[in-house]
Amino acid sequence: DVKVTQSSRYLVKRTGEKVFLECVQDMDHENMFWYRQDPGLGLRLIYFSYDVKMKEKGDIPEGYSVSREKKERFSLILESASTNQTSMYLCASVMNTEAFFGQGTRLTVV
Amino acid sequence: AQSVTQLDSHVSVSEGTPVLLRCNYSSSYSPSLFWYVQHPNKGLQLLLKYTSAATLVKGINGFEAEFKKSETSFHLTKPSAHMSDAAEYFCVVSPAMDSSYKLIFGSGTRLLVRP
Repeated sequence: DVKVTQSSRYLVKRTGEKVFLECVQDMDHENMFWYRQDPGLGLRLIYFSYDVKMKEKGDIPEGYSVSREKKERFSLILESASTNQTSMYLCASVMNTEAFFGQGTRLTVV
Repeated sequence: AQSVTQLDSHVSVSEGTPVLLRCNYSSSYSPSLFWYVQHPNKGLQLLLKYTSAATLVKGINGFEAEFKKSETSFHLTKPSAHMSDAAEYFCVVSPAMDSSYKLIFGSGTRLLVRP
């Protein structure tokens, strides 16, 4: 069974903290994505990666970075968390146009 | 540029009546199109996908969608709503000629099913 696992369901962080969101997939997929979901805006692409150590900016990369050192793991990094980064973050792994999503991490920055 | 427009932010139907969730897309080439569903506090689940085969696509839980190129639409339908269909639905396009498989999401339609 396909599995995409995000390390935390809920996180509360303080403004200015460095935050790591982890995502692991067990399907040997090359393409992985990070989205944020906000009410009325749908899902917006932050970054994606099509291979180990390869990354590309999505539509809203400002304030974020990513790391992909191993094929199965794709990390999203908030260099200095701000309150406008409070959101639901979703990781996806894609093969042949079909995307598999993790359960999401609800991040609150206070 | 590729884009997706979901024409209704909220749709309310009575149980047992038909469901119609509307979606229009913009794409330079023939795209792949999807509908995803998200139940409260759950992850996104693929309902169905169109990838240039039959224009009428059947999905899970009795949902189906019809690809109409002339209208650039991909509306989601179900003949009879069930209470368990209450959720948020996303229309999604993956542009053709894009090997990265980027998905572009609509803003979502929240479906409410009344008893």
